[in-house]
Amino acid sequence: GAGVSQSPSNKVTEKGKDVELRCDPISGHTALYWYRQRLGQGLEFLIYFQGNSAPDKSGLPSDRFSAERTGESVSTLTIQRTQQEDSAVYLCASSLWGPRKYNEQFFGPGTRLTVL
Amino acid sequence: GESVGLHLPTLSVQEGDNSIINCAYSNSASDYFIWYKQESGKGPQFIIDIRSNMDKRQGQRVTVLLNKTVKHLSLQIAATQPGDSAVYFCAERTSYDKVIFGPGTSLSVIP
Repeated sequence: GAGVSQSPSNKVTEKGKDVELRCDPISGHTALYWYRQRLGQGLEFLIYFQGNSAPDKSGLPSDRFSAERTGESVSTLTIQRTQQEDSAVYLCASSLWGPRKYNEQFFGPGTRLTVL
Repeated sequence: GESVGLHLPTLSVQEGDNSIINCAYSNSASDYFIWYKQESGKGPQFIIDIRSNMDKRQGQRVTVLLNKTVKHLSLQIAATQPGDSAVYFCAERTSYDKVIFGPGTSLSVIP
């Protein structure tokens, strides 16, 4: 079956421009996550959706970052007025939801963002 | 803030040897601990998890050990193969479906 897909796979933009990154989760997965991974580093949690709502936005690094999810499916991460420090790989993951056990997160291949 | 860290950033092992990757965590309230593997250019892939009320769990060629007394987690890979070369992340679930990842250990298998 289809896994998590992300688009674009690569994005090069100029400083100050806005970018939109898209994530298509696995069908039926109600939980969706966005992470940022800088070169050679670990995953930095950005935001989590349960259905279409985001109960935890604590990881968004600034008000330039926003995310939305519609139809309990596609999610878009938007970065406004991009800065060079935004350059990273942005990873999306989805999972089933439930507190009783750990629900494996399935990751997409990521979008590599380069801000010139 | 909360964090999960690794003792060794890089690890080189001979093919066929066993590998041990270590991790320290900071949140004693976390209920699950997880290991992920990330190959170059790909997203992380789940390997194994362990609930906080366990101290050992085995999978296929992998074993995870949890020592809550010293807040330590390890991943043991038996008979390491070239395909095991990757970056390995430990992670902890601090609340319902919020997972904090550590910085990662790069494992290199020498043929």
